[in-house]
Amino acid sequence: DQQVKQNSPSLSVQEGRISILNCDYTNSMFDYFLWYKKYPAEGPTFLISISSIKDKNEDGRFTVFLNKSAKHLSLHIVPSQPGDSAVYFCAASTREGSARQLTFGSGTQLTVLP
Amino acid sequence: KAGVTQTPRYLIKTRGQQVTLSCSPISGHRSVSWYQQTPGQGLQFLFEYFSETQRNKGNFPGRFSGRQFSNSRSEMNVSTLELGDSALYLCASSSGVGPRGTDTQYFGPGTRLTVL
Repeated sequence: DQQVKQNSPSLSVQEGRISILNCDYTNSMFDYFLWYKKYPAEGPTFLISISSIKDKNEDGRFTVFLNKSAKHLSLHIVPSQPGDSAVYFCAASTREGSARQLTFGSGTQLTVLP
Repeated sequence: KAGVTQTPRYLIKTRGQQVTLSCSPISGHRSVSWYQQTPGQGLQFLFEYFSETQRNKGNFPGRFSGRQFSNSRSEMNVSTLELGDSALYLCASSSGVGPRGTDTQYFGPGTRLTVL
């Protein structure tokens, strides 16, 4: 049972345009969400996060939106650059206890075309 | 500040052998988590160590074990290797304290394990 879902395995966008990556979750106990970018043969690199008490967080070209009622979050990249081409994972953690555990989506391969 | 380091980067073993992977967290971080990444299952949580104690465990068999040392460095061990254990093993470190909403996990480059 996938608790975090990224339904689009791939996305292609023209350089300079907006990239929108989507993520849905089913566990209402999730209260902290993150986006990671991953290049082949490297570990995931942290991009941006959002707590469930917020509905938007912005960092430079990256903005994450959280819709708790729909259990949906999205990552917007504006403007998209060829160097953004990578696999993007959304991840979530629960509020249970003090342990750290991330549940990941299956990833979306973003390709930014020059 | 140096990032998370993992050794070795690549490893080839045969079925039935055991393997030990090492992770050094970011200086000052006390929590180390391990994840397995495979094409079929994606990124899955193995376990987390904090102050030398296992604080959380994922749904993996007992062949997967770990430990953490007083300097926060962590090792992961897999015994009686199976073909299906071929994967990228990632460790992530975080401070491990305070609200989880402000405690980001930072990943190392991973160890690519191939079981023949």
